[in-house]
Amino acid sequence: NAGVTQTPKFQVLKTGQSMTLQCAQDMNHEYMSWYRQDPGMGLRLIHYSVGAGITDQGEVPNGYNVSRSTTEDFPLRLLSAAPSQTSVYFCASSGVFPSYNEQFFGPGTRLTVL
Amino acid sequence: AQKITQTQPGMFVQEKEAVTLDCTYDTSDPSYGLFWYKQPSSGEMIFLIYQGSYDQQNATEGRYSLNFQKARKSANLVISASQLGDSAMYFCAMREGRSSASKIIFGSGTRLSIRP
Repeated sequence: NAGVTQTPKFQVLKTGQSMTLQCAQDMNHEYMSWYRQDPGMGLRLIHYSVGAGITDQGEVPNGYNVSRSTTEDFPLRLLSAAPSQTSVYFCASSGVFPSYNEQFFGPGTRLTVL
Repeated sequence: AQKITQTQPGMFVQEKEAVTLDCTYDTSDPSYGLFWYKQPSSGEMIFLIYQGSYDQQNATEGRYSLNFQKARKSANLVISASQLGDSAMYFCAMREGRSSASKIIFGSGTRLSIRP
């Protein structure tokens, strides 16, 4: 049971490049989400999903796309990277009510956009 | 709209003392859940404790307890007998409603430093 896995752990992009951050979980969780954490700050919700084919926007969705084709995977796409997207990105998963009393986090991806 | 507020950016506490980290929330939904997470300097997010809005008793997990005051909309984390390893960022979070579409949002965090 690997829990929530994220790849890559580190990434450096140039402004305007695109890339996909991968996230997978093996706990059969319906709910998955992406957060970004800027230095010294809390986690801000980017996008979330409550099941395959269902996604919704969080607090800071601009510049990011997501899709959920399977229960296990929830990739985050940066369409045209900007320096303001330099951050640590966390993927998380949990069950839905009534089994949602804990959200499991991946180890994070540290992204730098030059 | 749901909102989480942590008003203490940083705290210093002497080892072995108890510490209370403040968290207030705002929601119009009678059904919600409150979480506390610890983030050490290594960066991972560690789940500490959960409180449901309909739970009759305050949640406890080892040295962690949640002081849940529903009327005041506060969910403070209490750490008893603090240890050096408790030095970390602490985040309060909330999940609103019972809908499968309910999202989880976080407060800005409190940096706790334990003095030997």
